Amino acid sequence: DTEVTQTPKHLVMGMTNKKSLKCEQHMGHRAMYWYKQKAKKPPELMFVYSYEKLSINESVPSRFSPECPNSSLLNLHLHALQPEDSALYLCASSLSPGQAYNEQFFGPGTRLTVL
Amino acid sequence: KNQVEQSPQSLIILEGKNCTLQCNYTVSPFSNLRWYKQDTGRGPVSLTIMTFSENTKSNGRYTATLDADTKQSSLHITASQLSDSASYICVVSPGALAGNNRKLIWGLGTSLAVNP
Repeated sequence: DTEVTQTPKHLVMGMTNKKSLKCEQHMGHRAMYWYKQKAKKPPELMFVYSYEKLSINESVPSRFSPECPNSSLLNLHLHALQPEDSALYLCASSLSPGQAYNEQFFGPGTRLTVL
Repeated sequence: KNQVEQSPQSLIILEGKNCTLQCNYTVSPFSNLRWYKQDTGRGPVSLTIMTFSENTKSNGRYTATLDADTKQSSLHITASQLSDSASYICVVSPGALAGNNRKLIWGLGTSLAVNP
């Protein structure tokens, strides 16, 4: 299995809702990433998990809460989001930590719309 | 300031034609340069990764070149197909001496449309 899967593909939520995005990989990768991408912009790094521990938080608001239950799974819990948080949320994984050196494999993304 | 600039911003070509996309970077120190293909609303897919010692790398109809002296890279697409319509993004990784701030530096991409 050489892919990263993400669910759901699309999500529409109100500002008072709580929802979660899920990401899964079975390539034995030990680093996993969350990115946010707005239209016609490059992906922006949000979080990096290294060996199931949070290693990088790019000053992301607390309404985004990541979780890595095991080496294959990565969640992003969403609560009290704002309309400007609407974007494509991408999960990626790499064989080992060290973003600069390791090829990252991206999932198809979750298109999030906050009303 | 570490930057990656791509040109052209957008490009329209006819199916079967070749095209070349450009990437200039000012990232220093430099580790490697990647080209990704991203379809609208989908995640990026890696096409090539090159270190400073590599001048060219191919992946099917895609050929990337790198000149580490002039800090330029190009992506050449041969015999374009309709499915090549996508955004092509150049991404540079800073080297070890950059310290903790070794995030990937992303270009804004070239939007390619291949028309029948």
